[in-house]
Amino acid sequence: DAKTTQPNSMESNEEEPVHLPCNHSTISGTDYIHWYRQLPSQGPEYVIHGLTSNVNNRMASLAIAEDRKSSTLILHRATLRDAAVYYCILRDNTGNQFYFGTGTSLTVIP
Amino acid sequence: DTAVSQTPKYLVTQMGNDKSIKCEQNLGHDTMYWYKQDSKKFLKIMFSYNNKELIINETVPNRFSPKSPDKAHLNLHINSLELGDSAVYFCASNVRGRRQETQYFGPGTRLLVL
Repeated sequence: DAKTTQPNSMESNEEEPVHLPCNHSTISGTDYIHWYRQLPSQGPEYVIHGLTSNVNNRMASLAIAEDRKSSTLILHRATLRDAAVYYCILRDNTGNQFYFGTGTSLTVIP
Repeated sequence: DTAVSQTPKYLVTQMGNDKSIKCEQNLGHDTMYWYKQDSKKFLKIMFSYNNKELIINETVPNRFSPKSPDKAHLNLHINSLELGDSAVYFCASNVRGRRQETQYFGPGTRLLVL
């Protein structure tokens, strides 16, 4: 039922930028794009979300393609604490459901 | 203070037993959820309650019964536990019907059925 596809895993060197891609080709015009991450042995936590425009917050940036069929989560300087599974999620038009994909497991190399 | 809390954190039990997992949120949210994360780490919604009323019930066996005594609590009762029920169960909450709202997750309950 997942509506997003992400690479299973990625690696990054510490203190380098990381670009985590997500495809959501069946996105509807009213779906919001959310990113969550799950640190080991913890529940998912919110990272960022957007609708059409690129978004920045203290944790990351979200770049949304013009056709909205893909997006990229950007961590500007990866730290060891950023090692987690990153989920790209579409929020349906009722706002009541999150469709989690398989996520991308990010490894940060010291 | 913990926003979404779950008890117990770990639960080990025998097949056929009945067990409950409790969830409480102190965020004043009106919608709460139960998710199941299996061994492959796939996270799937099971139930959603809004103000004590069931609004989402995905394809989940009848052995699973959520109960919401008030909008701050959503408990999950599981009857006749099976090996395949072993998973991590997460509770979450948010304000209903707003697609831009953040969803807050609990720390998870790790259930192992022997």
